[in-house]
Amino acid sequence: QSALTQPASVSGSPGQSITISCTGTSSDIGGYNYVSWYQQHPGKAPKLIIYDVSNRPSGVSNRFSGSKSGNTASLTISGLQAEDEADYYCSSYTSSSTVVFGGGTKLTVL
Amino acid sequence: EVQLVESGGGLVQPGGSLRLSCAPSGFIFTSYWMSWVRQAPGKGLEWVANIKQDGSDKYYVDSVKGRFTISRDNAENSLYLQMNSLRAEDTAMYYCVRIDCSVSSCPFDYWGQGTLVTVSS
Repeated sequence: QSALTQPASVSGSPGQSITISCTGTSSDIGGYNYVSWYQQHPGKAPKLIIYDVSNRPSGVSNRFSGSKSGNTASLTISGLQAEDEADYYCSSYTSSSTVVFGGGTKLTVL
Repeated sequence: EVQLVESGGGLVQPGGSLRLSCAPSGFIFTSYWMSWVRQAPGKGLEWVANIKQDGSDKYYVDSVKGRFTISRDNAENSLYLQMNSLRAEDTAMYYCVRIDCSVSSCPFDYWGQGTLVTVSS
């Protein structure tokens, strides 16, 4: 049950696009399309922003998009806004029916 | 409106026990898998346990197996996490989470605000 690997931090200017990677193994990300992404603002509970690799829940901005290639999933945020500054976590179900999260990525909007 | 309200957190000594509760509302509790996810202070999210709608299937992260038990009372509309043999590394905010298995990846679609557990002497 090793955590998925995410960069500790990324940054971008308003209006730019950024991508956060999330690397796992063939037992989790690579084996299934069971990747989700969560956004967490300081002091708040996490919020689901992407499920099934690339689908957005109702109400989530279409500036958020997800993809996957092999053992690596990615979250792209386009048209960066100040309100996007937050921590982002990927997660995946595993072949053992357990769940694993990434270590989290802190997004700074410059 | 979906709401998940946790309770039962607090300060406990190493080796002690604590029982967390979660009171869901705004949805049909018996239709959903449920989960506990924790977050140590200043750290990332860690999945703790999942439980099936009828309580027949349960899954745990290795670090809590044999010490924690997830359970639910569908008649009382409640989710629980019994935590025994607590360690300092169990100190965290514990979130009650709903799982949406109407989609393939069974994401965590609603989160409570959390209850803080501190294990310290």
